[in-house]
Amino acid sequence: SQLAEENSWALSVHEGESVTVNCSYKTSITALQWYRQKSGKGPAQLILIRSNEREKRNGRLRATLDTSSQSSSLSITATRCEDTAVYFCATDEHYNQGKLIFGQGTKLSIKP
Amino acid sequence: NAGVIQTPRHKVTGKGQEATLWCEPISGHSAVFWYRQTIVQGLEFLTYFRNQAPIDDSGMPKERFSAQMPNQSHSTLKIQSTQPQDSAVYLCASGRDRGDTQYFGPGTRLLVL
Repeated sequence: SQLAEENSWALSVHEGESVTVNCSYKTSITALQWYRQKSGKGPAQLILIRSNEREKRNGRLRATLDTSSQSSSLSITATRCEDTAVYFCATDEHYNQGKLIFGQGTKLSIKP
Repeated sequence: NAGVIQTPRHKVTGKGQEATLWCEPISGHSAVFWYRQTIVQGLEFLTYFRNQAPIDDSGMPKERFSAQMPNQSHSTLKIQSTQPQDSAVYLCASGRDRGDTQYFGPGTRLLVL
């Protein structure tokens, strides 16, 4: 069974707009990570947010974590065409750190 | 820093043949992970090593799949008697330690005919 999942399969916005991808998870975690995967490449980490953190920023990216509702969001502002990719949330397991459990991914398309 | 290196990038095998996939982690990283990605199942954890020792192989199919890390500079994933359902992108990742950022290679796309 999936321990992490994004809430939308696909999103599409125009360049310059903001977009938010949401994720929910089902176990106690030590950290949640957001990855981006472009076509033909492996996933690349965007943000790692630990369970004692509520928000983390990386340039135009902002991740939030709500451990009470077991949910996270990744917001991208001023989107660019190169942000087009599949976005995954991934969690470890509190008592089994190491392996990551990935959600099914949200395909984000940025239209010119 | 070349990142995680995976070879070959593409491999086509006939049903029943053996496939060996190769991963060179980033130098200095103590944790090495293998994942499999398909359209249907998404990204699935297979196994991981820490300081070359196998730590968790809970995602590995019990038959036909095996992984090794004979030294700190490479790991291999071997699939015996390949089946069409083994067709997938196999991704290797490395990290400084468990729980830290995992850096993924480009993957090996395996097609079993």
